[in-house]
Amino acid sequence: DVVMTQSPVSLPVTLGQPASISCRSSQGLVYSDGNTFLNWFQQRPGQSPRRLIYKVSNRDSGVPDRFSGSGSGTEFTLTISRVEAEDVGIYYCMQGTHWPFNSGPGTRVDIE
Amino acid sequence: QVQLQESGPGLVKPSETLSLTCTVSGGSISSYYWSWIRQPPGKGLEWIGYIYYSGSTNYNPSLKSRVTISVDTSKNQFSLKLSSVTAADTAVYYCARGLQSVYWGQGTLVTVSS
Repeated sequence: DVVMTQSPVSLPVTLGQPASISCRSSQGLVYSDGNTFLNWFQQRPGQSPRRLIYKVSNRDSGVPDRFSGSGSGTEFTLTISRVEAEDVGIYYCMQGTHWPFNSGPGTRVDIE
Repeated sequence: QVQLQESGPGLVKPSETLSLTCTVSGGSISSYYWSWIRQPPGKGLEWIGYIYYSGSTNYNPSLKSRVTISVDTSKNQFSLKLSSVTAADTAVYYCARGLQSVYWGQGTLVTVSS
């Protein structure tokens, strides 16, 4: 199985400041059709996960443009350009290329 | 906007079968893949399996011997059965649309305990 790792485990941030989360996969995530199925999810306290980014860098509908995704191969990054209070939660990267799909262990974002 | 809602018992005894149903509203179950994902308390996400509306399935090899996912297009529902459960199967169970899980249900906590 593909192993997904994330860093940091916990990320205290100051309101209005940028934040970045790294995700690494143990194998490349390019599918046979050329797509890279690396997604990012946000899970606010007590809520189900919400997909923010799909295929590395595409924002889902309704996702604020302060969220962006980048990367290739086995290294990926989620960036929040200016953290807001509503961004508190756990962020997961997820690979949807190799079955079984799986996520990283999560990065907890909270406000300093 | 499509909505998904999980339903089923919140408590299952060890060695019994966990059964959950996901009801899809605001859209047809046809023409999509539908997934089951679980999250043990305080842990990350585990993909259990998925089904295409036509009925073809794919299961996580770690659970394959115990899992059955089925679909009922007439009711706009799909279901999960997990047999021979143990305490390790205690988790919040989510249903989601698509292989890349674009829409999720609110989740239902299933506790395995006698």
